[in-house]
Amino acid sequence: GAVVSQHPSWVICKSGTSVKIECRSLDFQATTMFWYRQFPKQSLMLMATSNEGSKATYEQGVEKDKFLINHASLTLSTLTVTSAHPEDSSFYICSAYRVGEGIGGYTFGSGTRLTVV
Amino acid sequence: GDSVTQMEGPVTLSEEAFLTINCTYTATGYPSLFWYVQYPGEGLQLLLKATKADDKGSNKGFEATYRKETTSFHLEKGSVQVSDSAVYFCALVLEYSSASKIIFGSGTRLSIRP
Repeated sequence: GAVVSQHPSWVICKSGTSVKIECRSLDFQATTMFWYRQFPKQSLMLMATSNEGSKATYEQGVEKDKFLINHASLTLSTLTVTSAHPEDSSFYICSAYRVGEGIGGYTFGSGTRLTVV
Repeated sequence: GDSVTQMEGPVTLSEEAFLTINCTYTATGYPSLFWYVQYPGEGLQLLLKATKADDKGSNKGFEATYRKETTSFHLEKGSVQVSDSAVYFCALVLEYSSASKIIFGSGTRLSIRP
């Protein structure tokens, strides 16, 4: 079946530094990937939709200059949290859509827990 | 706007108890409905899905029926196990294309006592 690999699974960084999270579709091409953020004991909030070769579409209230998304190939999207602060600490999850699979075509990564100290 | 409302948790049950987690939706179109499960420290896994009215999705003993008249998609299991302890998310997609986004409910944390 479709597999999405997300790396790293957890990261601790100092305030003011930048962190890059990778999302790879291992056995299929994903023209569209999605980035979600999940606060403790809360639901997933869509941050942005990433389309291969074009600019990401950000949801309202998400700072595009802070959360940089790059989807340079059909199998890789990256989320870079720039100048991270403690309030950016969260669980980030990516999802990739596999064309032709219908509503079962969304596959999620295992998530990245970011802690900013 | 489009949204999903599910019962608040946490829900704590004893092993072999009957489970119901309520989910209702509001959508401008005709959505497809999902239940996802998230085990501790992991991403989401698709549990079951339904695409049209009266469809019943089922997997691992869980079931949910797409009820258009009540705009509901309640999750049920006849006999829960400790291994079912997780967070369950009800979700919808209005059209399954590469540009569609999934709208999630707030999640319901389920804990099963041995």
